[in-house]
Amino acid sequence: DIQVTQSPSSLLASLGERVTITCQTSQSISNNLNWYQQKPGQAPMLLIYYATSLQTGMPSRFSGQYSGRSFTLTITSLEPEDIANYFCLQHYSAPRTFGGGTKLELK
Amino acid sequence: EVQLVESGGSLVQPGGSLKLSCVASGFTFSNYWMDWVRQTPGKSLEWIGEINTDGSKTNYAPSIKDRFTISRDNAKSTLYLQMSNVKSDDTAIYYCTRTGGDYWGQGVMVTVSS
Repeated sequence: DIQVTQSPSSLLASLGERVTITCQTSQSISNNLNWYQQKPGQAPMLLIYYATSLQTGMPSRFSGQYSGRSFTLTITSLEPEDIANYFCLQHYSAPRTFGGGTKLELK
Repeated sequence: EVQLVESGGSLVQPGGSLKLSCVASGFTFSNYWMDWVRQTPGKSLEWIGEINTDGSKTNYAPSIKDRFTISRDNAKSTLYLQMSNVKSDDTAIYYCTRTGGDYWGQGVMVTVSS
């Protein structure tokens, strides 16, 4: 099974700050990784698919990059509505596996 | 608009059974593999399994250990999750998703407790 290690598990940031979250996979998965945002009481919402593609309707301050087995989600300038939990998902092979999540809070 | 609407969640006793449903609309259901995913009270997400377009092939997470069965009825655009011999660790919100994770339902709560 492919393990996905997400860091940090929690993050305090200020409005306007650049935020970076990372997922590291135990095997190469090419670009088969998605990023999700989840707010309390809601289902996860797709942010980035295939590692770098911004989902339609999501703000352009969100971006994804990857190099080898390391994947990053970046928020260029934190807005109040970005306070949420963030998850990554590898969909390269079954069993699909999720990162442990990052809780993003305001400093 | 793509919609996935789960139902069937409830309180169930340990060792009991439950069947969840997910009705799909806004896309050609029979063209897509579908998944079930769950989220524990601690917020961890776990992939349960997937089913191919005609229902002839399924894959499951090792942790499920033959207790859950995924099926589908393409004529009704409905995905199912049959849960058997449930345990307290199965307490979670259950989501149906299109394989690849682009669309998710709103989730349904299953609580396993005596």
